[in-house]
Amino acid sequence: EAGVTQSPTHLIKTRGQQATLRCSPISGHTSVYWYQQALGLGLQFLLWYDEGEERNRGNFPPRFSGRQFPNYSSELNVNALELEDSALYLCASRLSGIYEQYFGPGTRLTVT
Amino acid sequence: GIQVEQSPPDLILQEGANSTLRCNFSDSVNNLQWFHQNPWGQLINLFYIPSGTKQNGRLSATTVATERYSLLYISSSQTTDSGVYFCAVGVRGAGGTSYGKLTFGQGTILTVHP
Repeated sequence: EAGVTQSPTHLIKTRGQQATLRCSPISGHTSVYWYQQALGLGLQFLLWYDEGEERNRGNFPPRFSGRQFPNYSSELNVNALELEDSALYLCASRLSGIYEQYFGPGTRLTVT
Repeated sequence: GIQVEQSPPDLILQEGANSTLRCNFSDSVNNLQWFHQNPWGQLINLFYIPSGTKQNGRLSATTVATERYSLLYISSSQTTDSGVYFCAVGVRGAGGTSYGKLTFGQGTILTVHP
């Protein structure tokens, strides 16, 4: 069974640009979560999508947004990039009715 | 929100030694997971253990939910065990949502020397 996949692996952008990160959950999983791991700040919850709807968002500005598609894959968009957005972005998926979350390999975003 | 504290922050061992990592949390949880973050950043699931005891090879974990702590035991450590170990918890959210976000501790950095 394939795990959670994310693309791209690395992304380099300049300040002010937009970044789009993608996540495909484990087959059959309907919930997708996004987390940010910035240097020195630990892992922070960003967004939760379930059945195509945004269910919850963390303490991040509206520049961070996303969506979930009918096939349950998800996209994270970061607008007006700032230097402090440089981080590892991790996606996780979960099967309906089960608490355990499974993580993908991450996308490392560098903003210069 | 819930607070998650892990100890120790750093741990240095010789190969073959045993270790215990601790996770304290400040509220009742419906999800508790232990992860190992590999050098490339991926979080590898070790245990889903909101209560009770589980074992998987040289690793085992115990969560005492009533006292709000969990322990991860690593026996006969190997150099490949090096990395960051995270404890993460989930709680029932606003509006009764049960399957919300994970809140992570700051991690324990484990270094195993040959």
